[in-house]
Amino acid sequence: NAGVTQTPKFRILKIGQSMTLQCTQDMNHNYMYWYRQDPGMGLKLIYYSVGAGITDKGEVPNGYNVSRSTTEDFPLRLELAAPSQTSVYFCASRGGQGDTEAFFGQGTRLTVV
Amino acid sequence: AQRVTQPEKLLSVFKGAPVELKCNYSYSGSPELFWYVQYSRQRLQLLLRHISRESIKGFTADLNKGETSFHLKKPFAQEEDSAMYYCALSGSGGYNKLIFGAGTRLAVHP
Repeated sequence: NAGVTQTPKFRILKIGQSMTLQCTQDMNHNYMYWYRQDPGMGLKLIYYSVGAGITDKGEVPNGYNVSRSTTEDFPLRLELAAPSQTSVYFCASRGGQGDTEAFFGQGTRLTVV
Repeated sequence: AQRVTQPEKLLSVFKGAPVELKCNYSYSGSPELFWYVQYSRQRLQLLLRHISRESIKGFTADLNKGETSFHLKKPFAQEEDSAMYYCALSGSGGYNKLIFGAGTRLAVHP
């Protein structure tokens, strides 16, 4: 099973450039999440979605945008990349709220220079 | 505000020693608590959840609502337990976020 797939695995951006991090899942999960992982800071929730067409802000949404046009895909858009967005980004999905397990992608390491 | 606090960034022990990774939370409703683990070069994965009250790889965690804690314990650490451990909180009844703590790196030395 593919589970949660993120692309690309690595990317270097110049300041001011834009890019989209792709995330797709094949488990028919309604809930999807984007996190960034910074050393010593853990995982911070950027945006999340509870189903196609429904998204909401997490803890650190500034500088990012998302869309959820299908159940499978939840892309994260960076506009005008800044060095502060250098991080490892993780996408996750789960079938419901409460005690439901989350499944993670392998991460995207982004460097903004 | 919903918050998960892991006060220790690094916990270093010798093989065979007991381990306790601390986790405290803040949540106004009935929380669902988890421990996730990230081994080197692997994806984050679920270790255990409080609702199942099970022991996974020798680890246990008890939800203490009075102290708002969900500490992870193992009586005898093994070298293969070395990893990054994250405590996480979710809710129900319309609370859709899954919030993580800062993580604790466990290093088990031979």
